[in-house]
Amino acid sequence: GAGVSQTPSNKVTEKGKYVELRCDPISGHTALYWYRQSLGQGPEFLIYFQGTGAADDSGLPNDRFFAVRPEGSVSTLKIQRTERGDSAVYLCASSPASGGKNEQFFGPGTRLTVL
Amino acid sequence: AQRVTQPEKLLSVFKGAPVELKCNYSYSGSPELFWYVQYSRQRLQLLLRHISRESIKGFTADLNKGETSFHLKKPFAQEEDSAMYYCALGNTGTASKLTFGTGTRLQVTL
Repeated sequence: GAGVSQTPSNKVTEKGKYVELRCDPISGHTALYWYRQSLGQGPEFLIYFQGTGAADDSGLPNDRFFAVRPEGSVSTLKIQRTERGDSAVYLCASSPASGGKNEQFFGPGTRLTVL
Repeated sequence: AQRVTQPEKLLSVFKGAPVELKCNYSYSGSPELFWYVQYSRQRLQLLLRHISRESIKGFTADLNKGETSFHLKKPFAQEEDSAMYYCALGNTGTASKLTFGTGTRLQVTL
């Protein structure tokens, strides 16, 4: 079966613009995670969904960042008024259920560049 | 607060030499530790987790709660082991986020 997919693979935008990043999790996986990876760093947690609801959004850096998962499957990460510091690879992962023991399966990432 | 420390950015070893990638963590609860690997042009994937206590591709890692460490070891490095390795910490609570270290690049040379 297909793994986690993310679109677009690359996104270049200008400072101040709005962007949406999409994640398609593995079918049947109820948990979905967003991470951000800056150059030379490990992935940094942003938000986690269990079903349609955000179970933990403590990693969102500020209110310019928002994510939704309206039907409990596909998720969209939305960034308003982008800043150069938002440039990073945005990773999505899914797992069959919540709980630290469940393996998280990662997508290929979306590389966001803010000029 | 959760923290994972990987002190080495780059580890270069010869083929056939032993490998040890260091990982230390800070966590007040009962930790779940993982090693993830990213090969060139591939996505991040799970290598092993401490609860499984298994050997994957010849790699093992033992959780040492006294030293708060979860070092990754392999007795004989292979060229195909060259990759980026991330140590990650999860928790057993309701939240499932992973806290990652900054990663260590393993370079295996002939």
